[in-house]
Amino acid sequence: DAKTTQPTSMDCAEGRAANLPCNHSTISGNEYVYWYRQIHSQGPQYIIHGLKNNETNEMASLIITEDRKSSTLILPHATLRDTAVYYCIVMTGGTSYGKLTFGQGTILTVHP
Amino acid sequence: GAVVSQHPSWVICKSGTSVKIECRSLDFQATTMFWYRQFPKQSLMLMATSNEGSKATYEQGVEKDKFLINHASLTLSTLTVTSAHPEDSSFYICRGTSLHEQYFGPGTRLTVT
Repeated sequence: DAKTTQPTSMDCAEGRAANLPCNHSTISGNEYVYWYRQIHSQGPQYIIHGLKNNETNEMASLIITEDRKSSTLILPHATLRDTAVYYCIVMTGGTSYGKLTFGQGTILTVHP
Repeated sequence: GAVVSQHPSWVICKSGTSVKIECRSLDFQATTMFWYRQFPKQSLMLMATSNEGSKATYEQGVEKDKFLINHASLTLSTLTVTSAHPEDSSFYICRGTSLHEQYFGPGTRLTVT
């Protein structure tokens, strides 16, 4: 599976949008982009995933560039509870039973 | 909705003893279980993959005789850390998946003294 690159850490003010970038320049045609987050001492939580179209759900939006070499996770109105480590992962296929390989992720800190 | 539970949530054991961690899928049948461990301030590292009724496949560098994985049913997988040592102290997390669903467990904090 393709490797991803994310900033080590980001800050965001409460109530503002948090935009978390991810580079996956070696992504192949059948690889999806997945986003997870992990709040301290908890299991990872699924956020969203996509192949090439932008996606939105109740938690976030995912914007994938046309060449699919990068993507951005958008939390539209960040709250203090969104403080977590955010992982961008690319994985073959859109099935749920694939092997997820975690990188270092981005530590997002939402401050008042 | 469906969740994955882990038991215990935390455990302290003495060096040389064995510890069993249970991972249960609730309201869905997990055909595949993935086991991860996470050291402080590090990312999750995949240890092994197990399919129900089959032997687990271990990642490179993970000792299969030390980390025994059993996935005898579609709702239960266990990880046994045998002859635990302080360096095995870590956060162990399971992930249950079926064809259309996947859920992570809440994790088990193991401390070996």
